[in-house]
Amino acid sequence: SQKIEQNSEALNIQEGKTATLTCNYTNYSPAYLQWYRQDPGRGPVFLLLIRENEKEKRKERLKVTFDTTLKQSLFHITASQPADSATYLCALQRGTGFQKLVFGTGTRLLVSP
Amino acid sequence: DGGITQSPKYLFRKEGQNVTLSCEQNLNHDAMYWYRQDPGQGLRLIYYSQIVNDFQKGDIAEGYSVSREKKESFPLTVTSAQKNPTAFYLCASSIGGRREGYTFGSGTRLTVV
Repeated sequence: SQKIEQNSEALNIQEGKTATLTCNYTNYSPAYLQWYRQDPGRGPVFLLLIRENEKEKRKERLKVTFDTTLKQSLFHITASQPADSATYLCALQRGTGFQKLVFGTGTRLLVSP
Repeated sequence: DGGITQSPKYLFRKEGQNVTLSCEQNLNHDAMYWYRQDPGQGLRLIYYSQIVNDFQKGDIAEGYSVSREKKESFPLTVTSAQKNPTAFYLCASSIGGRREGYTFGSGTRLTVV
């Protein structure tokens, strides 16, 4: 069955460093990959979408890569700030027709001052 | 401001009782979704609707029902047949037919007492 894996352990980094989160998937051929931020007790907030034919996408301090050979996406936050502390979810979607978005379990990021 | 409103934020249900969670959007989105989130698990799709008066079961539809009589509204009923209803419920919407990020509501936390 299809599986999306994100590191269940929290990632602790110091303010100013680059945070790198990983999303691996198996038994799946997504055409689109999305990243969301979720704060405790709140709904996820959409951050970035990357297509299978795009290797990298950037938005301000955020960068996402998508390697369909490795079946992996990396999510980077540069110059991290304590306000970046949250859980980050990756989600995959196939390309044809109406396709549901399938979510990973998320990785919690803690940025300390 | 456009967005999705979920109510109530907290809901307590007695054993054997049906409860309805409200979801309203003013984004003019065609597609709406209900997800369930449990600790340590990714978001799981309960039901989705691509258009008014039409909806489909997601991965865990048993014990739930929905309606889509208006474009703006997609209420979810948790019936007494749902064996483990305690969870965080999230409603989302998207334009539909395009690959893009979802807009989520702030969620309803349902607890069985």
